[in-house]
Amino acid sequence: KAGVTQTPRYLIKTRGQQVTLSCSPISGHRSVSWYQQTPGQGLQFLFEYFSETQRNKGNFPGRFSGRQFSNSRSEMNVSTLELGDSALYLCASSLAGAANEKLFFGSGTQLSVL
Amino acid sequence: DAKTTQPNSMESNEEEPVHLPCNHSTISGTDYIHWYRQLPSQGPEYVIHGLTSNVNNRMASLAIAEDRKSSTLILHRATLRDAAVYYCILQGGPGGGADGLTFGKGTHLIIQP
Repeated sequence: KAGVTQTPRYLIKTRGQQVTLSCSPISGHRSVSWYQQTPGQGLQFLFEYFSETQRNKGNFPGRFSGRQFSNSRSEMNVSTLELGDSALYLCASSLAGAANEKLFFGSGTQLSVL
Repeated sequence: DAKTTQPNSMESNEEEPVHLPCNHSTISGTDYIHWYRQLPSQGPEYVIHGLTSNVNNRMASLAIAEDRKSSTLILHRATLRDAAVYYCILQGGPGGGADGLTFGKGTHLIIQP
């Protein structure tokens, strides 16, 4: 069974641009969550989607948005990029996002903003 | 606000047991305690989880305090491959519960040969 796939693996953008990252969950998983990881702040929760609906959102500005498609694949978008958005962006999937379910993480997209 | 508190780093010797503590004094009755670990250049991987009773699997054991305000991940015989950042998180409700899934900075485990 294929794992969680994130594309692209690396991305370089300049300030002011926007970026879209993609996450394909494990087949059958309907919950997808996104995280930002930086050396200073650690792993921070961005948002979680289930059946194309955002159920939960972390404390990030509105420049960070996401969506989920009917096949459970998810994308996250960051508009008007800032230098501080440079980070590893991780997504994770689980069957339904329930409290007792394991999360399966992708390898992440490393975003560098110049 | 962080829902769990872990030491920044710990060091242990190879082939010795390792006890990684986690405090979660504001845990609610429906929160599950999960542990994940992250190796360099990889996404986190699941280690173990539990609700009230102690749990064992092939990777580790999880000891949960009776009042559930703290837990300890036990690696019975550490190897160099166990060197990683270990995260203790609380998962409650759909999508992580009211506050989402807070990982924090975890514990950097160093294994000495």
